[in-house]
Amino acid sequence: QQPVQSPQAVILREGEDAVINCSSSKALYSVHWYRQKHGEAPVFLMILLKGGEQKGHDKISASFNEKKQQSSLYLTASQLSYSGTYFCGTVNNNDMRFGAGTRLTVKP
Amino acid sequence: DSGVTQTPKHLITATGQRVTLRCSPRSGDLSVYWYQQSLDQGLQFLIQYYNGEERAKGNILERFSAQQFPDLHSELNLSSLELGDSALYFCASSVETMNNEQFFGPGTRLTVL
Repeated sequence: QQPVQSPQAVILREGEDAVINCSSSKALYSVHWYRQKHGEAPVFLMILLKGGEQKGHDKISASFNEKKQQSSLYLTASQLSYSGTYFCGTVNNNDMRFGAGTRLTVKP
Repeated sequence: DSGVTQTPKHLITATGQRVTLRCSPRSGDLSVYWYQQSLDQGLQFLIQYYNGEERAKGNILERFSAQQFPDLHSELNLSSLELGDSALYFCASSVETMNNEQFFGPGTRLTVL
């Protein structure tokens, strides 16, 4: 079953923060986060493993609550380059499912 | 540039035909994944190969098949094509498992007329 992402879309001004959530009805072993710009391939952002810690680099970080089967992606002090569609991918029993995506638009 | 290459970039064909999409993984990566991305279905995992062996199967139709060769490149074969098969097909690679970061190729856009 496909994980559920929220919100579906968000519009920010440069410098604002955003949180994107991903939840699954299945027990998860890992959660991936990708960003895809229009007409391009998804680009890996980070992966969180079961039993792992919160991860982050620069102003993008993520958490994974394996008990609740949820992950959140945190974007702080957003930049124009953050615009795109964000997908979470969940892995359970050698099966990978992607959420429908969250379209993030950052305006100057 | 992810290091993953895919050919062709675009493919236009007719219903009932058969096509082959090709993927070369990043140097050192042993796993190859195939994904289909369409507007109505989103990004869907099709199949994974690891070092020449099929490792995991997702929502892959029986009309579709894949293989990974000894040099680790992979091919996705789509046969008896239908209009609904029109989509972007991505290949990705990782070092080993699904729990490693995956690097996506640029994709092949398939149009079935």
